[in-house]
Amino acid sequence: DIHMTQSPSTLSASVGDRVTITCRASQSISSWLAWYQQKPGEAPKLLIYQASSLESGVPSRFSGSGSGTEFTLTISSLQPGDFATYYCHHYSTYVPPWTFGQGTKVEIK
Amino acid sequence: QVQLVESGGGVVQPGRSLRLSCAASGFTFSSYAMHWVRQAPGKGLEWVALISYDGSNKYYADSVRGRFTISRDSSRNTLYLQINSLRAEDTAVYYCASAGYSPKWGQGTLVTVSS
Repeated sequence: DIHMTQSPSTLSASVGDRVTITCRASQSISSWLAWYQQKPGEAPKLLIYQASSLESGVPSRFSGSGSGTEFTLTISSLQPGDFATYYCHHYSTYVPPWTFGQGTKVEIK
Repeated sequence: QVQLVESGGGVVQPGRSLRLSCAASGFTFSSYAMHWVRQAPGKGLEWVALISYDGSNKYYADSVRGRFTISRDSSRNTLYLQINSLRAEDTAVYYCASAGYSPKWGQGTLVTVSS
């Protein structure tokens, strides 16, 4: 199985900061990577799919990049509602399993 | 728009069984593979099972193989997860999700295994 390593585990930042989260795959996954935001008590919310495509309705301050084994999620200017946990997710249409990074908690500095 | 609505969770005693359902709408359900993913309290996301678009192929995480059964009824646009011999470590929110270029998730249903 492909293993996803996400870093950092916790990130302290202030409103307005530029934030970058990294996800590394144990082998090439092309662009089969998604990013989610999750707040306590809520389901994961899709932000980015296919590594860099912005999900409809998601603010443009969120962006994704990378392919192969190295991926990043960038929040260009952190907003109060962005304090949450973020997960990367390797997915494919028909090949199991799906695998997830361990999560990055973005906290208020 | 795509909507996935899970149901069937609750508090169950160890060793008992439970069937979760996921009602799909807003897309051609019969054309998409479907997944179950779970999240234990305070933990990360764990893939559980996959069923192909036509139900002919099923795959399971090692942690649930032999106890969980994924199935689908395309006439009802519904995905199922049969969970047998429940254990404390099965306590989690269970999410259904559609495969494809842009995965879509439901809001989840909580299963609590406790005596």
